[in-house]
Amino acid sequence: KNEVEQSPQNLTAQEGEFITINCSYSVGISALHWLQQHPGGGIVSLFMLSSGKKKHGRLIATINIQEKHSSLHITASHPRDSAVYICACARRFDYGGSQGNLIFGKGTKLSVKP
Amino acid sequence: KAGVTQTPRYLIKTRGQQVTLSCSPISGHRSVSWYQQTPGQGLQFLFEYFSETQRNKGNFPGRFSGRQFSNSRSEMNVSTLELGDSALYLCASSLVPDTQYFGPGTRLTVL
Repeated sequence: KNEVEQSPQNLTAQEGEFITINCSYSVGISALHWLQQHPGGGIVSLFMLSSGKKKHGRLIATINIQEKHSSLHITASHPRDSAVYICACARRFDYGGSQGNLIFGKGTKLSVKP
Repeated sequence: KAGVTQTPRYLIKTRGQQVTLSCSPISGHRSVSWYQQTPGQGLQFLFEYFSETQRNKGNFPGRFSGRQFSNSRSEMNVSTLELGDSALYLCASSLVPDTQYFGPGTRLTVL
């Protein structure tokens, strides 16, 4: 079993729909990242969360540390949101830093149709 | 501020050769991490450097090595290339602890 599981693997939505992508993890973490990767390879960090909820524009990310679960929501989806969304967990280390050692989910490929 | 830069962007090598990839972090960022992305395995952590010291290493063979210089620029080296090393190699920098900023990647093809 992977340490970081994402669902769904693939998602097709109509423009304007509300979208949810889920991430569950089984390791001790200090933070969880949501990343966006467009065709061509470029990766953008969307959020880094250690607790609660963050919002940026139409994107909302939540994390429940007790349940080891995070969700990424996209409100009023648009074709430009089409990309692969990747959940990545920063493994906790004794030295207090953990930014580098990310373990990744397999990604969710989102396609938003006009 | 300039973003993370990686050179070269594309590279073609043959089996048995070695390759060196370079990463220049965002100015002021002292942490640099390297990742490998393949269609089969997805994204995997290679190593993390902070202030010229390797702080973490992923589960890769010794053919994969790296270093960081005093200006925080980092290089990774792969010796005795194998077909399976064909991948997108991504570098990311961060102000610890903060969001990681990814570079555009170097796409390595091994023939």
